[in-house]
Amino acid sequence: GAVVSQHPSRVICKSGTSVKIECRSLDFQATTMFWYRQFPKQSLMLMATSNEGSKATYEQGVEKDKFLINHASLTLSTLTVTSAHPEDSSFYICSAAAGKGNTEAFFGQGTRLTVV
Amino acid sequence: SQQGEEDPQALSIQEGENATMNCSYKTSINNLQWYRQNSGRGLVHLILIRSNEREKHSGRLRVTLDTSKKSSSLLITASRAADTASYFCAPSGGGADGLTFGKGTHLIIQP
Repeated sequence: GAVVSQHPSRVICKSGTSVKIECRSLDFQATTMFWYRQFPKQSLMLMATSNEGSKATYEQGVEKDKFLINHASLTLSTLTVTSAHPEDSSFYICSAAAGKGNTEAFFGQGTRLTVV
Repeated sequence: SQQGEEDPQALSIQEGENATMNCSYKTSINNLQWYRQNSGRGLVHLILIRSNEREKHSGRLRVTLDTSKKSSSLLITASRAADTASYFCAPSGGGADGLTFGKGTHLIIQP
């Protein structure tokens, strides 16, 4: 199947700093990329949907100024957690879809963010 | 996007036995996907079944779909310790929306 690479897999940062997470589709062009967040023992929650070259669409309750999403190319989307707070500590996962039908989504391996 | 609800929430069986988990959803779908997530890892796509399909196989996996009951089942035959993971279903209307996941079924295979 298609490969989605997410980097870094783990990151620890200090409160108040910003952290950037990258999501790359390695062998296909991802028209749409999705960002999810998962708290321990909880389900994945969709944070936002990004389409290449346009602004991301955020789910209700997700602060767009805090979670900056950039989808500059068909193979790369980034999520930047700004002014990180310990409450932002979570597991973040991206997924990529080749078409608008989202018939199959390929997921990255996730990023474990710990804010201290 | 709509959310699937997996049942049971937790399942513990002996290695070699078959594991069955179910998924229910509320509105019509274009397809339904099953994913596996090992602890602290990303999701792995297992299988996609379209709304006009009733059953699909992939290795030791067998997925059924009953659109009249708005339900799907995932059967893992001859379970192995490596099958220990959480399993999620994701119904999709086929649009451009992200998938929404339920709490999953946490499967434990005991040696």
